[in-house]
This record gives sequence, C-alpha cells and structure tokens, in this order.
Amino acid sequence: QQQVKQSPQSLIVQKGGISIINCAYENTAFDYFPWYQQFPGKGPALLIAIRPDVSEKKEGRFTISFNKSAKQFSLHIMDSQPGDSATYFCAGRLGGQNFVFGPGTRLSVLP
Amino acid sequence: GAGVSQSPSNKVTEKGKDVELRCDPISGHTALYWYRQSLGQGLEFLIYFQGNSAPDKSGLPSDRFSAERTGGSVSTLTIQRTQQEDSAVYLCASSAVAGGGQYFGPGTRLTVL
Repeated sequence: QQQVKQSPQSLIVQKGGISIINCAYENTAFDYFPWYQQFPGKGPALLIAIRPDVSEKKEGRFTISFNKSAKQFSLHIMDSQPGDSATYFCAGRLGGQNFVFGPGTRLSVLP
Repeated sequence: GAGVSQSPSNKVTEKGKDVELRCDPISGHTALYWYRQSLGQGLEFLIYFQGNSAPDKSGLPSDRFSAERTGGSVSTLTIQRTQQEDSAVYLCASSAVAGGGQYFGPGTRLTVL
C-alpha cells in the first residue's frame, strides 16, 4: 500500500484555536514525512518534516506528532491565525526519492 | 535567491494539440520532479530526474506524456494530442539532493478545451 490517508478534508477553526490534521500510512518503508502548505494559485511550500525515529518535532506554532507503532502522524497548528488559512498536504517518502502525498486538508481560520 | 520558476503560468489549448511546459529549478539542485494537481486534489507524481541517472517515469499516465531535462537544469514536460482530462495544474519541484525537501514552482495551469 503506497497510500497516505489524510483527514479531515476540510477544517474550520476560530482564531487562536488549535488546528489538527491527521495522516496515516500502511507501508513501513516510508522513511520521511514532510508537510506542505499551499495557498491558492501557489505551489506547495515545505512547512515542517519528521523522520520516523522521532516522536515529535516543533517549529514555532507548528508541531508534528508521530506514532510509529500506529503508523499515524499529525500536524498541530497552535494559536491558529487567519493567515494560516491554506491547504495542507502530508506526504511520505518511499525508496529515498519517491514522495506520496495525501489528498490535502483545506483549513479556514475565522477572524 | 531565485526559486523554482515555471512557464507559462497559464496555458489554454484545444483538444488534440501538443503543449510544452517549462521548469527552471533552483540552481545547483540535482533532483527535479513533475507532479499533476487536479482541482481540489492532491499531487500526482509524474516523473523524477536525478543528476545524470535515467529518469523515473513510473508516474506518467500515458505515452502522450514525456519529459526531458537538458544539461541537468531546465526541464520540459510535453503532452502530445492533449485531452480534456489533461486539464490540471502541473507543478515542478526541485531538491538539493535526492529525496530531500522539495521546493515547488508556482505551477502551470493547463486548460484543454
């Protein structure tokens, strides 16, 4: 299974709240998990990434939590802001170079 | 420094015509990827170039699609005899090393009438 599943499809959060996006995979050969942020009309931008030997990585308001045994990982956006409104993609890397992307989550942060 | 650039930003063509999409990766990046993104969908891998190695073409959806990378830098994605289902945003990304963090261009929005 080379899929990366992602939920929810869309998410609405109040300003200052926590946004949580979840991803899951089956293939244990995935060895690197990046998250991308995409604004309308733009290409995706690398946001934060984690390797499976680490359980958590934090960069500013963005945190990845990784559960290797459950084959799940999630993105947490603390103190969500309207400027965070975008589509977020999780991905997994296979074979050192091939990336499989989740279907994306459209986040709207209300002012 | 300059990021990944793609041209044209928008392309409207008629069914059956050929199109060429161009990608200029970040200077010095050895890896280059092409993806397709349909409206509201995730990214579909098309092809991957790494240095002088043979490209990984496993994602190309049909033999109407081809790509080349000249001199290890600029890449061109060619779609022959375009079909309406080819309408999508075509994204190019480059990375400094194989499998490293990818930097995406703004994409080319292709519309096949």
